[in-house]
Amino acid sequence: EVQLVESGGGLVQPGRSLKLSCAASGFTFSNYYMAWVRQAPKKGLEWVATISTSGSRTYYPDSVKGRFTISRDNAKSSLYLQMNSLKSEDTATYYCARQAFAYWGQGTLVTVSS
Amino acid sequence: DVVLTQTPSILSATIGQSVSISCRSSQSLLDSDGNTYLYWFLQRPGQSPQRLIYLVSNLGSGVPNRFSGSGSGTDFTLKISGVEAEDLGVYYCMQATHAPYTFGAGTKLELK
Repeated sequence: EVQLVESGGGLVQPGRSLKLSCAASGFTFSNYYMAWVRQAPKKGLEWVATISTSGSRTYYPDSVKGRFTISRDNAKSSLYLQMNSLKSEDTATYYCARQAFAYWGQGTLVTVSS
Repeated sequence: DVVLTQTPSILSATIGQSVSISCRSSQSLLDSDGNTYLYWFLQRPGQSPQRLIYLVSNLGSGVPNRFSGSGSGTDFTLKISGVEAEDLGVYYCMQATHAPYTFGAGTKLELK
């Protein structure tokens, strides 16, 4: 059974950093692109980042480019999202998703507030 | 960025009724590789999104066949043939042909 479990969310002050993790199981992690998608409270979905199987290629929308970094450790079947210079508008539930968004985790809530 | 316009924003249905949701794109979603990266998701209350349809018309794993997707270019439709209680929630279309990937604003399916 495919499982994706996010962790690392919490309350953080504007301008600070936070690193999210996603532990994958039930499939060969290194064979799949992975992504992060977020959802602000009571709002719609927004794609945040995608990473290739080896990690050599990464993709971001302009809203997070230069502040967020997606990475992966295939040996640990884990996906990460390093978030720097956080803003209040980054407040959201962050989901990790497998290639083609076929499977999603349960999400982890990030709240950016002073 | 590609804008996906979903209609209606709210859809009221009775159990057993067939309904459709439209997703129109601001530009063609046909990729140079011949694929059209248009997806449909359902987010039930309090849950993570679940993929229903990929590449316009392919049913996701474990998804009931009362769901179907169609369309091409800029116009796409999700049809539910016989709504069931478990289908209630918010439906989103999403495109992954053009970066940045974008989602529609969502269609809330509720019981009439």
